[in-house]
Amino acid sequence: ILNVEQSPQSLHVQEGDSTNFTCSFPSSNFYALHWYRWETAKSPEALFVMTLNGDEKKKGRISATLNTKEGYSYLYIKGSQPEDSATYLCATPTSGSRLTFGEGTQLTVNP
Amino acid sequence: DADVTQTPRNRITKTGKRIMLECSQTKGHDRMYWYRQDPGLGLRLIYYSFDVKDINKGEISDGYSVSRQAQAKFSLSLESAIPNQTALYFCATSDLGHSTSTDTQYFGPGTRLTVL
Repeated sequence: ILNVEQSPQSLHVQEGDSTNFTCSFPSSNFYALHWYRWETAKSPEALFVMTLNGDEKKKGRISATLNTKEGYSYLYIKGSQPEDSATYLCATPTSGSRLTFGEGTQLTVNP
Repeated sequence: DADVTQTPRNRITKTGKRIMLECSQTKGHDRMYWYRQDPGLGLRLIYYSFDVKDINKGEISDGYSVSRQAQAKFSLSLESAIPNQTALYFCATSDLGHSTSTDTQYFGPGTRLTVL
């Protein structure tokens, strides 16, 4: 089983702050890296799927980068808003479309 | 209407009882998954199915069984529930895309199960 690790486990920021967190994964046999956003009492929703070293994806104020050689991805949120409060999950396929998830980073944005 | 639905949304049961959690999807996807989520742990795969005739064990299948009744329905059973099966259970679906490694999974709203 692949070890996918996320840090920090939780994060509290003030509205307007920019923030970032990390997903680490084994760099060998890399296929793809998924980011999901999970708001409390809702379903996890896909943010990005990244496959290429150096890839950078952006959706509004959220962006992600990928380094497959060293086995990490960063998720950045610019100018955090209270509605960004959620748990951010990363995952990588073990085989086929079986995903191994990290434990998530729980972000709280205080108004 | 939600594309992936789960019933029940909440369930409290007693040790030893048989419990079935149901998942239905209107996305027309072939692939369906059951995960459990525990505090401090990531989503862990219990079982998955790539089509109606295909069932595969995931990371933590002991104590669980599944049934894929139709393309749209995938149910998870706990034959004899025990307290350490108390968790949040998610169903998910994915389509057979260009590459299975990049297939996005679409999650249901979750079922919170408590076993006393």
